[in-house]
Amino acid sequence: DIQMTQSPSSLSASVGDRVTITCRTSHSIISNLNWYQQKSGKAPKLLIYAASNLQGGVPSRFSGSGSGTDFTLTISSLQPEDFATYWCHQTYSIPWTFGQGTKVEVK
Amino acid sequence: EGQLVESGGGLVKPGGSLRLSCAASGFIFTNAWLGWVRQTPGKGLEWVGRIKTESEGATIDYAAPVNGRFTISRDASKSTLYLQMNSLQTEDTAVYYCTTVWRSGSYHFDYWGQGALVTVSS
Repeated sequence: DIQMTQSPSSLSASVGDRVTITCRTSHSIISNLNWYQQKSGKAPKLLIYAASNLQGGVPSRFSGSGSGTDFTLTISSLQPEDFATYWCHQTYSIPWTFGQGTKVEVK
Repeated sequence: EGQLVESGGGLVKPGGSLRLSCAASGFIFTNAWLGWVRQTPGKGLEWVGRIKTESEGATIDYAAPVNGRFTISRDASKSTLYLQMNSLQTEDTAVYYCTTVWRSGSYHFDYWGQGALVTVSS
């Protein structure tokens, strides 16, 4: 199975901050990496697919980069509605696996 | 816009069975791969399994912890996905989400249901 290491597990930030979340995989997954946002009590929402492709309707302040084993989700200027938990997710090989999640909290 | 609505969650005793349903609308059901993901407070998000289209043989893959106990199926006449859960264990307690699996660049979950809570407890 491909192991996912997502960091940090939580972070505190202010509106307007640049936020970076990383995800490392135990084996190369080329670009088969997705990012989701989840707000409390809600289902996850797709933000980025195939490492760097912005899902339709997602604000352009979200971006993804990376390939192989190292990936990054960046929020260029944090907005109030961005306080949530973020998950990385690999679909290179079954079983598809998720990172441990990063909770973005108000500083 | 696709929509998925789960039903069938509830409280069940260890060793018991439960079937979740997921009614789909807003997309071509027969063309869609579908799947289940669960979420527990302790383990985060966990992929449960995925079913391909009927034209692709409705091939199913499962995560190891549920393989042999859970069965995914789909009914095109009802545009409904199912998750039959047998021999339930306390560690199966979770919110279960049905998803569509889109194939573009990577496989990814684009539509999600609202979630169905399954509690396994005596």
